[in-house]
Amino acid sequence: AQKITQTQPGMFVQEKEAVTLDCTYDTSDPSYGLFWYKQPSSGEMIFLIYQGSYDQQNATEGRYSLNFQKARKSANLVISASQLGDSAMYFCAMREVFGNEKLTFGTGTRLTIIP
Amino acid sequence: GAVVSQHPSRVICKSGTSVKIECRSLDFQATTMFWYRQFPKKSLMLMATSNEGSKATYEQGVEKDKFLINHASLTLSTLTVTSAHPEDSSFYICSARRTSGAKNIQYFGAGTRLSVL
Repeated sequence: AQKITQTQPGMFVQEKEAVTLDCTYDTSDPSYGLFWYKQPSSGEMIFLIYQGSYDQQNATEGRYSLNFQKARKSANLVISASQLGDSAMYFCAMREVFGNEKLTFGTGTRLTIIP
Repeated sequence: GAVVSQHPSRVICKSGTSVKIECRSLDFQATTMFWYRQFPKKSLMLMATSNEGSKATYEQGVEKDKFLINHASLTLSTLTVTSAHPEDSSFYICSARRTSGAKNIQYFGAGTRLSVL
């Protein structure tokens, strides 16, 4: 069975600093996808970034990058130059490639950016 | 990113009534949509997978007669909470899977906050 672990329930970061949100996963599938979503207080889930298990390079999307270490089974999200609008819950998720492709979510990290 | 619309955003109803929530993919077709439930300060819990033109697949412990799912078109899935009770009060959020090679990203709606009195 798949499992996602986010060990940081909350983080406080000074504005303009970089922040790393941790995510480790466990799966027996050789092929999988890893995702990060942002959930502001409004409730919507915003897709941030995707990393495939066979991707050779770490994914990047603007200020977001994913530090993918396959041997360690970690997929940490790095946000550069944090902004006040980055304050939100962040969820790491994994998708099995075969089957109905449902997502398994971690418990989330609440990030608060301090001005 | 892709746009998924969920309606209503908030609903308050009396115990025993039924509530229908709509999930639409606005700029892409989605053969598969997903329905989640989220309790306060908790993660998302998958309730069911909605497949266009076929029956939904429910997760273990989710009552299919309680949570009716219909996926009648490639852009619309509905969740009906039948005979709602206060314990059904929660945040319900849908997603639509956009196929794009290996990525197949799930894009989410804004969620529906259901309060049953």
